[in-house]
Amino acid sequence: EPEVTQTPSHQVTQMGQEVILRCVPISNHLYFYWYRQILGQKVEFLVSFYNNEISEKSEIFDDQFSVERPDGSNFTLKIRSTKLEDSAMYFCASTRHTNTEAFFGQGTRLTVV
Amino acid sequence: QKEVEQNSGPLSVPEGAIASLNCTYSDRGSQSFFWYRQYSGKSPELIMSIYSNGDKEDGRFTAQLNKASQYVSLLIRDSQPSDSATYLCAVKVGGGADGLTFGKGTHLIIQP
Repeated sequence: EPEVTQTPSHQVTQMGQEVILRCVPISNHLYFYWYRQILGQKVEFLVSFYNNEISEKSEIFDDQFSVERPDGSNFTLKIRSTKLEDSAMYFCASTRHTNTEAFFGQGTRLTVV
Repeated sequence: QKEVEQNSGPLSVPEGAIASLNCTYSDRGSQSFFWYRQYSGKSPELIMSIYSNGDKEDGRFTAQLNKASQYVSLLIRDSQPSDSATYLCAVKVGGGADGLTFGKGTHLIIQP
């Protein structure tokens, strides 16, 4: 069964460092998403991506964040200068169309120290 | 402001009984509705989607949607201990590429 894969599963970084989280969406899906879940809180939408550009972004997705599809399979989230409050689980998801079911990767746990 | 509300629980249900999970949403423009299951430390796992008023059944799961009341529910029949998890209600507003708005989830405990 096709699935979304994310790497790494866990990343520890020092405050102020840059991190790149990687995702391989389901191959025939067209829309890609990043979500964040701070421990004990709800899953929050960050950004959606279609046709090699950002479609929508939330208030959380400020200038320290960027997304990219560097090749035909990978989809990345870059956090430029990490802060303690960026510590969270980051989930990648993909959908075939805009209103179809979203499938989530297993997540990357980011810990900023 | 899009809001999705769920009772956080815990909701405790005996094994074999029906578990009923509820969700309300604020935006009347919401078009797509999803239930996800999330085990502790894991990612959301899709259970069901529902797009139109009424009931939708899939195995032991039934989703119910009432757009007039802005209410979505999930029934789990013949509850099993493995159903113990947090159940997330997620709503999508409109037909664009905006993301899902999630509730905080209901923690369900199935007692053997």
